[in-house]
Amino acid sequence: GAGVSQTPSNKVTEKGKYVELRCDPISGHTALYWYRQSLGQGPEFLIYFQGTGAADDSGLPNDRFFAVRPEGSVSTLKIQRTERGDSAVYLCASSLLAGGSQETQYFGPGTRLLVL
Amino acid sequence: GESVGLHLPTLSVQEGDNSIINCAYSNSASDYFIWYKQESGKGPQFIIDIRSNMDKRQGQRVTVLLNKTVKHLSLQIAATQPGDSAVYFCAETPEMGKLIFGQGTELSVKP
Repeated sequence: GAGVSQTPSNKVTEKGKYVELRCDPISGHTALYWYRQSLGQGPEFLIYFQGTGAADDSGLPNDRFFAVRPEGSVSTLKIQRTERGDSAVYLCASSLLAGGSQETQYFGPGTRLLVL
Repeated sequence: GESVGLHLPTLSVQEGDNSIINCAYSNSASDYFIWYKQESGKGPQFIIDIRSNMDKRQGQRVTVLLNKTVKHLSLQIAATQPGDSAVYFCAETPEMGKLIFGQGTELSVKP
């Protein structure tokens, strides 16, 4: 079956612009996660959703970052007033159940964001 | 965080040899651990997992060992192949919904 998909695969923007990154989870997965990965490092947690609600957004770095999942499926990560330090790969993952601590998270290919 | 910069530890092995990749985790409360493989330009791919009530789990050509006393995980790959070349990350779950990734090890397989 189809895995997690993310669009766009690459995004180049200018400092100060607004960007939206989209994630389509595996069909039937109720939990969805966003991570950010800088070059040479492991992914770092940003936020996770159980259904439509954000269950934990403690990893969002500041109020320029926001994510939504209005219908409990597709999610959008929104970044306002982008800065060069936001350049990274943004990864989305999903899991079958409601975000328990012993669930396997399956990752998408990521969106590579470059802020000039 | 646990990130230490751009230079990942590297393990270089000959094709056909066994590989062992090690990982130290940080949180005693973690009860679930996963190994992921990440190839260049792709997202992390699930390899194998282990729960804290186990100390060993085997998959196809891979084995994960968990030592909770010293908070250590290892991934063993038997008969390593060129297609195994990638960066390998361990991840722990100290709380619901959140994976904490280790630094990563780059595995290079020489034909």
